[in-house]
Amino acid sequence: LAKTTQPISMDSYEGQEVNITCSHNNIATNDYITWYQQFPSQGPRFIIQGYKTKVTNEVASLFIPADRKSSTLSLPRVSLSDTAVYYCLVGDLLSGNTGKLIFGQGTTLQVKP
Amino acid sequence: ETGVTQTPRHLVMGMTNKKSLKCEQHLGHNAMYWYKQSAKKPLELMFVYSLEERVENNSVPSRFSPECPNSSHLFLHLHTLQPEDSALYLCASSQELAGGPRETQYFGPGTRLLVL
Repeated sequence: LAKTTQPISMDSYEGQEVNITCSHNNIATNDYITWYQQFPSQGPRFIIQGYKTKVTNEVASLFIPADRKSSTLSLPRVSLSDTAVYYCLVGDLLSGNTGKLIFGQGTTLQVKP
Repeated sequence: ETGVTQTPRHLVMGMTNKKSLKCEQHLGHNAMYWYKQSAKKPLELMFVYSLEERVENNSVPSRFSPECPNSSHLFLHLHTLQPEDSALYLCASSQELAGGPRETQYFGPGTRLLVL
C-alpha cells in the first residue's frame, strides 16, 4: 500500500509562495496523487490532482517528478484564509485493489499577517 | 455547500445507546464513503460503497454497521460504542470510485460524535 509522509506543520506569511511536499515511495503505477484542504469543523475539499509532471489550476500547482515518489503542492501568494490542513492522497480503487485510499498525516499550514 | 449533507452535526451518546448517522448526496454520484477523523490522526477510510454495494470494509469493528439503501443515502449505525470511538465522522461521495482521474471526492461537514 502506498503510504504518504508530509511535514506536520508549516508557517508562512501573507503573499508568500508555499510549497508542501509529500513523499510516497511505494506509489503504484495506477495511483493518482490528490491534494485536499480542510478547515476546522469542515470536511476536506479537493484542491488538485495529478499523475505526472505538472498540473496547474486556479488555486494551486502540483509538481510531480519523473519517479513519482514525491509530489509538491504549490500555493502562490497565500492569504490568511489559506490557513488549513493540507492532505496528500494516493490511491486507486479502480484497479480492483480496494482499501488503497490513504490520507497522509496532513500538513497544518499557518499563514501569518 | 458541497452537495453532501450529514445529520446530526453533533451527537452525544452513552456506550449502551444505539444511534445512526445519516448522509445524503445531491450530486448524482455512484460511490459513497465513511471516514473517521480522530484528533491528531489521519483520516481513516471505514467503508466504501459503489452502486449501493459495499466494496471495502477496512477492518472496522462490528459495532459500526453501514447501510446504503440507494445511491443517494448512506447510514452508519452505531451500537455499544466505546469512548475511543469519539471522533468526527465524515461522509463523502464521488461520481465513480475515487483514486482515478477526475474522481474527486466531495465531503460533507461531518458529525462530531462524543461517546460517554
